[in-house]
Amino acid sequence: QQQVKQSPQSLIVQKGGISIINCAYENTAFDYFPWYQQFPGKGPALLIAIRPDVSEKKEGRFTISFNKSAKQFSLHIMDSQPGDSATYFCAASSYQTGANNLFFGTGTRLTVIP
Amino acid sequence: DVKVTQSSRYLVKRTGEKVFLECVQDMDHENMFWYRQDPGLGLRLIYFSYDVKMKEKGDIPEGYSVSREKKERFSLILESASTNQTSMYLCASKDQGREKLFFGSGTQLSVL
Repeated sequence: QQQVKQSPQSLIVQKGGISIINCAYENTAFDYFPWYQQFPGKGPALLIAIRPDVSEKKEGRFTISFNKSAKQFSLHIMDSQPGDSATYFCAASSYQTGANNLFFGTGTRLTVIP
Repeated sequence: DVKVTQSSRYLVKRTGEKVFLECVQDMDHENMFWYRQDPGLGLRLIYFSYDVKMKEKGDIPEGYSVSREKKERFSLILESASTNQTSMYLCASKDQGREKLFFGSGTQLSVL
């Protein structure tokens, strides 16, 4: 069973637009929520992460919004650029269930059209 | 920056062969991981290791084993490869007490 559900599976956005990827989880013990970015032919790389004590975290054009009561979190990419075209994975882990086990979503392939 | 190196980018094997996937990291990380990546399924943890000669099963360990004889090297072994093990395999490492994973570029394994 998928511990973290991610949508959409694919996303096409015009250059300059906002890309939004959503994730939902059930396990209330999760306390760490990272997003990984993967370019073709490369391994995933950590993009940004959030803990549930804050509702939003921003790094440049990338923002995580976190809704603890709804058990949802999302990645917003402002002013999307063709160089942002990649696959994005949300993930979650819990110190209780073993911080070494990071549960990943199924991924979203983002294409930014020039 | 941390470098995680996987020995092969592409590998083609026959059903029933024993397959070794090798991974080396250069930052003295205690923890190392093997994931497989499949379209529509995301990344799933096969095994991880938190120290030399120590290993823990992940979510999908069946059909796989691992070996960690040295801190920098973590090997994934398919004892008898099957077609359903055709996948992208990703190795990762991280520092103890930290959460950031560093991934290799992956090995695309095809089992015919």
